[in-house]
Amino acid sequence: EAGVAQSPRYKIIEKRQSVAFWCNPISGHATLYWYQQILGQGPKLLIQFQNNGVVDDSQLPKDRFSAERLKGVDSTLKIQPAKLEDSAVYLCASSLRADSYNEQFFGPGTRLTVL
Amino acid sequence: AQSVTQLGSHVSVSEGALVLLRCNYSSSVPPYLFWYVQYPNQGLQLLLKYTTGATLVKGINGFEAEFKKSETSFHLTKPSAHMSDAAEYFCAVSDGGTASKLTFGTGTRLQVTL
Repeated sequence: EAGVAQSPRYKIIEKRQSVAFWCNPISGHATLYWYQQILGQGPKLLIQFQNNGVVDDSQLPKDRFSAERLKGVDSTLKIQPAKLEDSAVYLCASSLRADSYNEQFFGPGTRLTVL
Repeated sequence: AQSVTQLGSHVSVSEGALVLLRCNYSSSVPPYLFWYVQYPNQGLQLLLKYTTGATLVKGINGFEAEFKKSETSFHLTKPSAHMSDAAEYFCAVSDGGTASKLTFGTGTRLQVTL
């Protein structure tokens, strides 16, 4: 079974530029999550999708971050404009359903460096 | 609100020694508790989880954890460390409801020496 795919793996941009990350979840997984992991910290949930609808985006900085999951499969997370403090690893995860019984499977992440 | 505290950002053990990684949680409802491992440049992998029932939970790679409600703890142990156990370990909590939001601790980096 293929795991969660993410691209790119690494991205370096200058502040005020825009950037987009892509995630392809495990086939059949209805729930998709984006996490931000700043160096030295645990992952923090940014947004959770159930199929193509948003379940929780309470910690997403909506003035600069946006995410979509068209057709309930792939997802894109965008930052525009980027700030220095956005430097982090962005992890995508998916699960079969949106409840705590279901394991979240994580992708390898995209490491973003903002200069 | 839920929170997780992991005591010790770095733990070093000798190969063959006991591994003990500490996790304390705060939750207003019965928690679901998780331990994840993260190897360099990889995503997180679930080691084990506690939902309900038996408080001693066994996971992959010989790890286990015990849920102690009175101590609000969920410490991770392994009787004998192996070099391949060197990684970052994260404890996480969710409220066990229909939403599956995980709140993670800050992580503990395990170093295994010869």
